[in-house]
Amino acid sequence: GEDVEQSLFLSVREGDSSVINCTYTDSSSTYLYWYKQEPGAGLQLLTYIFSNMDMKQDQRLTVLLNKKDKHLSLRIADTQTGDSAIYFCAEPTYNQGGKLIFGQGTELSVKP
Amino acid sequence: EAGVTQFPSHSVIEKGQTVTLRCDPISGHDNLYWYRRVMGKEIKFLLHFVKESKQDESGMPNNRFLAERTGGTYSTLKVQPAELEDSGVYFCASSQTGGNEQFFGPGTRLTVL
Repeated sequence: GEDVEQSLFLSVREGDSSVINCTYTDSSSTYLYWYKQEPGAGLQLLTYIFSNMDMKQDQRLTVLLNKKDKHLSLRIADTQTGDSAIYFCAEPTYNQGGKLIFGQGTELSVKP
Repeated sequence: EAGVTQFPSHSVIEKGQTVTLRCDPISGHDNLYWYRRVMGKEIKFLLHFVKESKQDESGMPNNRFLAERTGGTYSTLKVQPAELEDSGVYFCASSQTGGNEQFFGPGTRLTVL
């Protein structure tokens, strides 16, 4: 079955770059997602990447996709204390309208 | 436009009691999903409604869980009787027909003592 794996914790200093990694198993996914959960809030879609892309950049966020290794990463440049949150990668089980398979979430702690 | 709302935000009950969680999706969204995150673990899918019909309930843990979406608007998830392992955060999400993005509610934190 589908499986998504992430490391659980990451601690960085303000201003540094953060890299959150994820591995997945279902190579048929059309999209791969990154969700962010701030304390006390719901899940917010942060960014996504089409499976036919290798990289997507959106301001301070860079998503890298290595389809061969089924590896996805999220890089946050110039990390701020407001970036402290739990980050989940997720893949849909089919193209549209399908359930999401999530990783365990990576808790990012940004120290001033 | 209002987002997905969930009620209550927190619930603390004793083992054996019944709890009902409610989710109000974004108006016009036919797809409604329930997910659950047990402490420190991954967010797991529970079930998916399309309008009032259960499209996929493969993630429901057992028959102590009952989800309904009468009229295809809001949904309820009832746990009866609750067990200790049911503790966690229950998320609801909705999406449009053919839409890729699921919009999540803030979750209900359930604690079973």
